[in-house]
Amino acid sequence: DAGVIQSPRHEVTEMGQEVTLRCKPISGHNSLFWYRQTMMRGLELLIYFNNNVPIDDSGMPEDRFSAKMPNASFSTLKIQPSEPRDSAVYFCASSSTGARNQPQHFGDGTRLSIL
Amino acid sequence: AQTVTQSQPEMSVQEAETVTLSCTYDTSENNYYLFWYKQPPSRQMILVIRQEAYKQQNATENRFSVNFQKAAKSFSLKISDSQLGDTAMYFCASARGAGSYQLTFGKGTKLSVIP
Repeated sequence: DAGVIQSPRHEVTEMGQEVTLRCKPISGHNSLFWYRQTMMRGLELLIYFNNNVPIDDSGMPEDRFSAKMPNASFSTLKIQPSEPRDSAVYFCASSSTGARNQPQHFGDGTRLSIL
Repeated sequence: AQTVTQSQPEMSVQEAETVTLSCTYDTSENNYYLFWYKQPPSRQMILVIRQEAYKQQNATENRFSVNFQKAAKSFSLKISDSQLGDTAMYFCASARGAGSYQLTFGKGTKLSVIP
């Protein structure tokens, strides 16, 4: 079975450019999460969706960040304009139901470097 | 808010030996879930083991087991018969939220298995 698929795996771009990260959750999963991992702050939850609806976006750092989930099989995280401090690894994860006993399955992450 | 603390930034163990990674957490909830995730150099986040707070029996998955001390809010991971493939970052995490759960991660412990 295919796991959570993220693209691109690596992204290098210049400051001020728009960056779009993509995620395809596991088929049948109805919860989707975006995380950011940095050396200083570790893994932080940015936003999570349930049944395509954003439930909690309190972790989104600022208005430059936005996330969408237009359907059950696709989500995007966009940064516009990007800044060097946005450099990090961004993970997408999905889980099968809203129950807490269901584990989150992570993608391989996107390593983002803003020059 | 929940916090998760991993007090050992780095550890090493000889191949075939046993090692224990520490984790403490703080939560005001009565029922919650705890997890250990492994992140090898490939960057993927892999679920190792999980524990439900209302279960007194410690979870076990092959060579991996936990020592869950609810009163002390402690959740340590024991790896028996360590293998070279166990070399990775290990993250302790707690789950909160009445519906879809949101993970709070510790800063991680870097484990090196020495041949």
